[in-house]
Amino acid sequence: AQSVTQLGSHVSVSEGALVLLRCNYSSSVPPYLFWYVQYPNQGLQLLLKYTSAATLVKGINGFEAEFKKSETSFHLTKPSAHMSDAAEYFCAVSEGDYKLSFGAGTTVTVRA
Amino acid sequence: NAGVMQNPRHLVRRRGQEARLRCSPMKGHSHVYWYRQLPEEGLKFMVYLQKENIIDESGMPKERFSAEFPKEGPSILRIQQVVRGDSAAYFCASSPRGQGVRPYEQYFGPGTRLTVT
Repeated sequence: AQSVTQLGSHVSVSEGALVLLRCNYSSSVPPYLFWYVQYPNQGLQLLLKYTSAATLVKGINGFEAEFKKSETSFHLTKPSAHMSDAAEYFCAVSEGDYKLSFGAGTTVTVRA
Repeated sequence: NAGVMQNPRHLVRRRGQEARLRCSPMKGHSHVYWYRQLPEEGLKFMVYLQKENIIDESGMPKERFSAEFPKEGPSILRIQQVVRGDSAAYFCASSPRGQGVRPYEQYFGPGTRLTVT
C-alpha cells in the first residue's frame, strides 16, 4: 500500500520567509502525488499535483513542489510567506485513479 | 458555483445511537468519495460511489458502516450503534463523470466532526 509521511506537525514562519513543508512517500509504483490546503471551516483545496510529467510542479498561490524519486520526497515550498498562508497542509498519494492516502497534516502559522 | 456541501458540520451522538452524515456533491458531479480522519492521523479512504452504485468500499469497516448515493438527493454515510472510536472528522469529495484525466480530481467538502460521548 502507498503512504505518505509529513515531517513536522507544526511549522511557524515569519512573514516574507521561506515556507518549506516536507513530505516523503512510499510507493511500489510511480505515484501520483498531491498537496492540499485546508483553511478553517473550509474543505480541502488542491494546491498542486504531480502526475509523472515535469518533476517541478507549480501550483496556486505561489506554491511549488519538486518530485525527487531518489529521495522519495515531494516537498512543498513558497519563497515568501504571506499571512494568508496560515492553514493546514496535507500531502497525499493516489493509489490508482481515485484512492487518496493522506499524511497527518502540517499546520502553518505565519508571524507578522 | 457552490462547492461540496456537508451537513451537519458537527454531530454529537451517544454510544449506541445512529449517525447520518450527508454530502451534496458539486453541481454536475456524479462521483462521491468518503474519507475519515481520526485524531492525529491523515484522511483515509472509505468508499467510492456513483449514482446508485458502490464502486469501491474497500476502506469501510465491515460492520455498522454503510453508504449510499441515491438517484436523487445527497450521499449518506450511516454509522449504526456508534462507539467512541467512531469519533472523527468525515470528509466527502466529488468529481465529475467521465473524466479523461487521471487521477480523478477530487473536490472536498468542509467535513463533519462526529463526537461520540
